[in-house]
Amino acid sequence: GAVVSQHPSRVICKSGTSVKIECRSLDFQATTMFWYRQFPKQSLMLMATSNEGSKATYEQGVEKDKFLINHASLTLSTLTVTSAHPEDSSFYICSAYSTSGGATDTQYFGPGTRLTVL
Amino acid sequence: LAKTTQPISMDSYEGQEVNITCSHNNIATNDYITWYQQFPSQGPRFIIQGYKTKVTNEVASLFIPADRKSSTLSLPRVSLSDTAVYYCLVGDNGSARQLTFGSGTQLTVLP
Repeated sequence: GAVVSQHPSRVICKSGTSVKIECRSLDFQATTMFWYRQFPKQSLMLMATSNEGSKATYEQGVEKDKFLINHASLTLSTLTVTSAHPEDSSFYICSAYSTSGGATDTQYFGPGTRLTVL
Repeated sequence: LAKTTQPISMDSYEGQEVNITCSHNNIATNDYITWYQQFPSQGPRFIIQGYKTKVTNEVASLFIPADRKSSTLSLPRVSLSDTAVYYCLVGDNGSARQLTFGSGTQLTVLP
């Protein structure tokens, strides 16, 4: 139980285009999801907290107009990187918080999305 | 958010037991301790979680002393496939509060 998927697993795009990444909790409902970014050889950095039906909360230094987050349902959150530039190239990982009875109450992570901006 | 401190790296050999200790001196009363494993280019995978004393599951054990200011992840009989980064995090599970990732411990299992 507590499986989280992400799509796509990897994407290559041209500078200036927008890219949407989907995060789904497959076997549980998640009112709260989180988006992280991870650069090579570094730890995960929290970008934003996504709450179903309300606006996301962004961490300091993360541009909310560049990284659009939509949490429209209890099983889906999307991250859209708008007008992507090469410095946005990174590994993006989502997590969903599970409070369902079958799994330990904690964050469960997706497999990540490798974004490369040319 | 409670800060955690772990060794940057550890080496072990196949078949040995590995113990990774994490320090969290400022842990709050409502905080749980959670350990994740991460392979390159993959999302972190939940290993084990505990509040106090000892927790054991099919892959690991978690030892937490009475003062809860530290915890030790124990991996029995490691194999080459256990080579990964291991993260120790503390957070209040009851409120789905965000987790802050530290640098983690790079465990390398040698043949």
